[in-house]
Amino acid sequence: DQQVKQNSPSLSVQEGRISILNCDYTNSMFDYFLWYKKYPAEGPTFLISISSIKDKNEDGRFTVFLNKSAKHLSLHIVPSQPGDSAVYFCAARRSQGNLIFGKGTKLSVKP
Amino acid sequence: EAQVTQNPRYLITVTGKKLTVTCSQNMNHEYMSWYRQDPGLGLRQIYYSMNVEVTDKGDVPEGYKVSRKEKRNFPLILESPSPNQTSLYFCASRAQGMDYGYTFGSGTRLTVV
Repeated sequence: DQQVKQNSPSLSVQEGRISILNCDYTNSMFDYFLWYKKYPAEGPTFLISISSIKDKNEDGRFTVFLNKSAKHLSLHIVPSQPGDSAVYFCAARRSQGNLIFGKGTKLSVKP
Repeated sequence: EAQVTQNPRYLITVTGKKLTVTCSQNMNHEYMSWYRQDPGLGLRQIYYSMNVEVTDKGDVPEGYKVSRKEKRNFPLILESPSPNQTSLYFCASRAQGMDYGYTFGSGTRLTVV
């Protein structure tokens, strides 16, 4: 059973507009959520995170929102740039600090 | 430079021939982990280690072994590789209490024929 779900395999956005990537989870024991970005032929790189005691965390163009009651988080990228084109993985932290990843969403930002 | 180093980057092998993928980190991290990435399945954890001599199974451990004899190294061992282990493998590490998750290596693309 998938505990972290990214239901959109792909997303296409125009440069300068907002990109919204969504993630749902089922395990209420998760205490930390992270977003990773992955370019082809590279390992995933950490982007932004949020603790379960918060509902928003912002870092420059990237904002993560957490809705605990809905078990839903989202990543907003404003404004989107062509260099943001990558696969984005949502991850949730469980016991022992291990992460469970979603299947990823491929974002394409068109000039 | 702080990094996680995996070797080799690419490997083609035959069914049943034992192989080891090495992983080393220079950040003195306690936690290390192995993931595999497959199309449509995302990243799935194979094994993880919380410190030297402490390892445990992840979500897809079958067919793999690991060891953690030193803090910096966490090799992944395939005793008898099979074609269903063809995948992209990532090693990762993080410090205890670090909230921004793992630092990943660049990956090892393994093909078993």
